[in-house]
Amino acid sequence: DQQVKQNSPSLSVQEGRISILNCDYTNSMFDYFLWYKKYPAEGPTFLISISSIKDKNEDGRFTVFLNKSAKHLSLHIVPSQPGDSAVYFCAASAGAQKLVFGQGTRLTINP
Amino acid sequence: DAMVIQNPRYQVTQFGKPVTLSCSQTLNHNVMYWYQQKSSQAPKLLFHYYDKDFNNEADTPDNFQSRRPNTSFCFLDIRSPGLGDAAMYLCATSAPTDVHSTDTQYFGPGTRLTVL
Repeated sequence: DQQVKQNSPSLSVQEGRISILNCDYTNSMFDYFLWYKKYPAEGPTFLISISSIKDKNEDGRFTVFLNKSAKHLSLHIVPSQPGDSAVYFCAASAGAQKLVFGQGTRLTINP
Repeated sequence: DAMVIQNPRYQVTQFGKPVTLSCSQTLNHNVMYWYQQKSSQAPKLLFHYYDKDFNNEADTPDNFQSRRPNTSFCFLDIRSPGLGDAAMYLCATSAPTDVHSTDTQYFGPGTRLTVL
């Protein structure tokens, strides 16, 4: 019963192009969504979040889009840089202080 | 800098030998979490504290216990580690506005546990 799914285990993008990471969820009670970035041997680092009352949130090169009808979340990184190479986790919450994580997508930025 | 600190970063223990992992925070957040993460999997919540209130996940084995002596510190005790408990253990904190809400969680660097 995986409530948050990242169907692409890996993604390879050329430096300077757009990276698009996708996430699907099944629980319609989720009202808060986050993206985390994780380098090897480190804990996840918070990247960007979005509340269900919005459909877009932007922070510099990072934009998160939320499509509630499709239960779909995406993270756009533009332009992609070598330092963006990491594992990206999406997470969702229905309150009660808990997050449910996807399995992650490994992003590789090629020079 | 305000942060979440985990010690040690790497821990090796023997099968069945109790082990304690520690987490401290300078963020003054009221909620602290312990997650287990195995390779290529999502972090799995073991339990969390909302202030002093302990909240165990239904599928967390009894082998895992936790203590939170004060706001800043939280410990994960594995009473009898098995080979299947080898994983990365992540501590996180957050500061939700109330017990029903959720806020961003901030993670420590993790402790990699090896069981021989």
